[in-house]
Amino acid sequence: NAGVTQTPKFQVLKTGQSMTLQCAQDMNHEYMSWYRQDPGMGLRLIHYSVGAGITDQGEVPNGYNVSRSTTEDFPLRLLSAAPSQTSVYFCASSYSGSGGSYNEQFFGPGTRLTVL
Amino acid sequence: QKEVEQDPGPLSVPEGAIVSLNCTYSNSAFQYFMWYRQYSRKGPELLMYTYSSGNKEDGRFTAQVDKSSKYISLFIRDSQPSDSATYLCAMRKYGGSQGNLIFGKGTKLSVKP
Repeated sequence: NAGVTQTPKFQVLKTGQSMTLQCAQDMNHEYMSWYRQDPGMGLRLIHYSVGAGITDQGEVPNGYNVSRSTTEDFPLRLLSAAPSQTSVYFCASSYSGSGGSYNEQFFGPGTRLTVL
Repeated sequence: QKEVEQDPGPLSVPEGAIVSLNCTYSNSAFQYFMWYRQYSRKGPELLMYTYSSGNKEDGRFTAQVDKSSKYISLFIRDSQPSDSATYLCAMRKYGGSQGNLIFGKGTKLSVKP
């Protein structure tokens, strides 16, 4: 199993450009999510999905768009990049299980994005 | 007040020391308490998790939850240079979405040989 993979590893954008961060998992996990990690801010949830065709917003969704057409893939789109979106982005996945259980979230290696 | 507070450190200890990492929280609905370890330029990985109150031990690591004080701890015994990483606490409500974790800011630990 490759686990959770993310591409690209690094990206530099100019303000106003758009791009898509790719995330894929091969563990047949129903749940997938995107976080951003900034110095002094910890991990913050951007968007998440509980299954194909179902997405919802997290704590910091503005400026980002997601869709989930397959169980394996969960791309994150930056519509018009801003310097405030400079960050490290992590994708994670887990089994959904029931609300009364905890299933480990597996994180990808991250994408380091700089917006100039 | 943020829901989860964690001292970012950095924390530097000599090899073999006992390390204590802590988080406080304000939401009494949290029932699942996790510790993730993140090496430099890597994604977080789950170290331990505890449901509700109590202690959990795994080798050199012990996680404690005190719900009455809204306080969780991670103890590392006989710390090793390979334990040098950022440690993130995370919490979730019972019945909430699996991924709706609230993370602390992380504490950066350095264990010196």
